[in-house]
Amino acid sequence: DVKVTQSSRYLVKRTGEKVFLECVQDMDHENMFWYRQDPGLGLRLIYFSYDVKMKEKGDIPEGYSVSREKKERFSLILESASTNQTSMYLCASSLSGRGNSNQPQHFGDGTRLSIL
Amino acid sequence: DAKTTQPTSMDCAEGRAANLPCNHSTISGNEYVYWYRQIHSQGPQYIIHGLKNNETNEMASLIITEDRKSSTLILPHATLRDTAVYYCIVRVEASWGKLQFGAGTQVVVTP
Repeated sequence: DVKVTQSSRYLVKRTGEKVFLECVQDMDHENMFWYRQDPGLGLRLIYFSYDVKMKEKGDIPEGYSVSREKKERFSLILESASTNQTSMYLCASSLSGRGNSNQPQHFGDGTRLSIL
Repeated sequence: DAKTTQPTSMDCAEGRAANLPCNHSTISGNEYVYWYRQIHSQGPQYIIHGLKNNETNEMASLIITEDRKSSTLILPHATLRDTAVYYCIVRVEASWGKLQFGAGTQVVVTP
């Protein structure tokens, strides 16, 4: 069964802190994604990765960085947390390669992050 | 990606089939229809996808019209746990690039 696990369901941090959000998938997927979801704005892509140590910017990368040292793990880092980064953060993963482009992205349960 | 249109909301009685429609009249020949749902405070959950043939899995069935301009997601025996927002999207590739959901259909399953 497909499993994308995010390290925390709820997290509260203070302005200026460095925040790490972790995501692990057990499906041997090549692609991994970080989104944030806000009311009225839908899903917005922050960063994605198609291989170990590879990363690509999404639509809203400012204030964030990512790390993919192992295939199964994709970390999102808030370098210096600000209140406008309070949001639901969603990690997703998918297969890559020939014949797999129609395969879906699978999501974790999300981390609801509050920056005070 | 082709635009999709879904009803804003629908109610369904527990134990009955829920039929969720989606219009995608501008769909291209190589675009797939995907269904996701999102239960409150959880991440989106993939349900099913198809190109032109009807599909069935352990969660649901997907019926795509012959002209591919609309589709219906069928939850055969709705339970209270099926209460969620259901999203229909049309994509050439869903494994790559950002996913964007529309407003979706709020389904409420009642006892």
